[in-house]
Amino acid sequence: DGGITQSPKYLFRKEGQNVTLSCEQNLNHDAMYWYRQDPGQGLRLIYYSQIVNDFQKGDIAEGYSVSREKKESFPLTVTSAQKNPTAFYLCASSVREGPYNEQFFGPGTRLTVL
Amino acid sequence: GNSVTQMEGPVTLSEEAFLTINCTYTATGYPSLFWYVQYPGEGLQLLLKATKADDKGSNKGFEATYRKETTSFHLEKGSVQVSDSAVYFCALTDVYNTDKLIFGTGTRLQVFP
Repeated sequence: DGGITQSPKYLFRKEGQNVTLSCEQNLNHDAMYWYRQDPGQGLRLIYYSQIVNDFQKGDIAEGYSVSREKKESFPLTVTSAQKNPTAFYLCASSVREGPYNEQFFGPGTRLTVL
Repeated sequence: GNSVTQMEGPVTLSEEAFLTINCTYTATGYPSLFWYVQYPGEGLQLLLKATKADDKGSNKGFEATYRKETTSFHLEKGSVQVSDSAVYFCALTDVYNTDKLIFGTGTRLQVFP
């Protein structure tokens, strides 16, 4: 089955530690995205990548880093510089369908920083 | 800039009631419009879409019409089920970068038997 996998589903870390969230897709999509979801704020874009070895900052990139060494993988590192990292993180990938990109989402990782 | 405004929830309905979730947008040009649904503990799934004015998107009994004159894309369903309980997000493409989506804050729907 094609899809997007995120692991782990739940993640707990101590304050001050860096943590890396995994995102893998086997849909052969060129573009991948990371979003953060907080209650009452919808989804906010952290980083996105339109092609391997290239990525752009989204609206809330501070305190996060990414890499795109392979087409199918787009890991997100939450660094100690992120002031409030506890949130639900969603990864997506997309394929162009005419005038827009249809985005497909993974199941998410809930990060709790203690 | 581009933005999406959704009605605040939760929306609470009895089974078989009529559903409307309002969505209005601000954008230059002609963005594509989407409704996504998020079931508890899961990621988002595309529910329906419309790419130009007067287009009607539909899926699983849900409908939404792209109204350019009122900059709206309201979600409707004639008879909701308990299984429709979820959070619904309205979104549009950023006309300056169509690889990006701009989301509303989401509206929680609760349907009771």
